[in-house]
Amino acid sequence: AQSVAQPEDQVNVAEGNPLTVKCTYSVSGNPYLFWYVQYPNRGLQFLLKYITGDNLVKGSYGFEAEFNKSQTSFHLKKPSALVSDSALYFCAVRDPLADKLIFGTGTRLQVFP
Amino acid sequence: EPEVTQTPSHQVTQMGQEVILRCVPISNHLYFYWYRQILGQKVEFLVSFYNNEISEKSEIFDDQFSVERPDGSNFTLKIRSTKLEDSAMYFCASSEGGGANSQYFGPGTRLTVL
Repeated sequence: AQSVAQPEDQVNVAEGNPLTVKCTYSVSGNPYLFWYVQYPNRGLQFLLKYITGDNLVKGSYGFEAEFNKSQTSFHLKKPSALVSDSALYFCAVRDPLADKLIFGTGTRLQVFP
Repeated sequence: EPEVTQTPSHQVTQMGQEVILRCVPISNHLYFYWYRQILGQKVEFLVSFYNNEISEKSEIFDDQFSVERPDGSNFTLKIRSTKLEDSAMYFCASSEGGGANSQYFGPGTRLTVL
């Protein structure tokens, strides 16, 4: 079965430091991977996706993610965190056998001034 | 920038009542979805809809649930007889196509069943 794991419930980082939010996946076939961000009382906002090609994909707000096939990972990164990046981050994989996204449990990112 | 909109933002209902959650997808999108997020839990897929019919549904989407695109712009989710466990945030999403196309989500409707 297709699945996504986000091993950290919360990540704390100081403003200006690099951040990483981890995601691993299990899917048959080639994965389509996505990151979404959810601010308080808001919907899910699309950040970036990996479909094929370059393993490093760039997205909105300075975020990027690295696809690693051998480690089945798709970690979200940003070189310099901002306090305004504090939010809930969801990794998702497109089920190749069905038209739906499968989400991880989410990681709360807290950036301290 | 076009976005998915949802109404109402918050719906409170009594157990056993019918509710209709409304969504206006992005105008040139052809694929529509409903997801839900029970408080503190992950986002779960409910149903996908394309070409005026359901293309995929989860085990959550039982006979109490139905979807409709009544007028070419709105996309609705109806719950016929709400249960306490239906209390959740319901998200509508749309995409230009299936497969690798990104799904864009609305702000959600918080449904509270008393």
